[in-house]
Amino acid sequence: DAGVTQSPTHLIKTRGQQVTLRCSPKSGHDTVSWYQQALGQGPQFIFQYYEEEERQRGNFPDRFSGHQFPNYSSELNVNALLLGDSALYLCASSASSPHEQYFGPGTRLTVT
Amino acid sequence: GDSVTQMEGPVTLSEEAFLTINCTYTATGYPSLFWYVQYPGEGLQLLLKATKADDKGSNKGFEATYRKETTSFHLEKGSVQVSDSAVYFCALTSGGSNYKLTFGKGTLLTVNP
Repeated sequence: DAGVTQSPTHLIKTRGQQVTLRCSPKSGHDTVSWYQQALGQGPQFIFQYYEEEERQRGNFPDRFSGHQFPNYSSELNVNALLLGDSALYLCASSASSPHEQYFGPGTRLTVT
Repeated sequence: GDSVTQMEGPVTLSEEAFLTINCTYTATGYPSLFWYVQYPGEGLQLLLKATKADDKGSNKGFEATYRKETTSFHLEKGSVQVSDSAVYFCALTSGGSNYKLTFGKGTLLTVNP
């Protein structure tokens, strides 16, 4: 049973560019959450998708947007990249019950 | 809002030593509490959880008890191994199922042989 997968593994972008990160949830899961983990910090909640809609959002600007597809996979888009957007972006999936979130390996984004 | 405070690291122990990593929280209602572990270069893995007061979560020799009176969820292990070296995160969810995880800053544990 494949767990949560994310692509790409690493990404280098230039300030001002746009980036799209992808996530496939664990089999049987219908909810996807995205987190940003800056170096040496705990993950910070960006938003959560359920039934193709954003269900809850953390304290992130509108430059961060997402999408969930009918097969429950998800994308995270970040526009107008800033140096401070450099971080590990984690995707987590969960089912309606039980509620544990299972994390993917993350995408390391570096903005230069 | 919700918050999690865990002891500052790094923590360095010798193999077979006793481990405690303190975690306290602030949350509305009755949160569920979690410990996650992050090995070098990897994502987060759920280590254990507790969903109500006085519950004890346990896994791989690690334990933590949900203490509502002290708003704490301290992680303990009686005898650590080199393979336990990782970053440990205390986290909570509140406000219903499938809602966001709020994490502490993490504690780096290094176990020396």
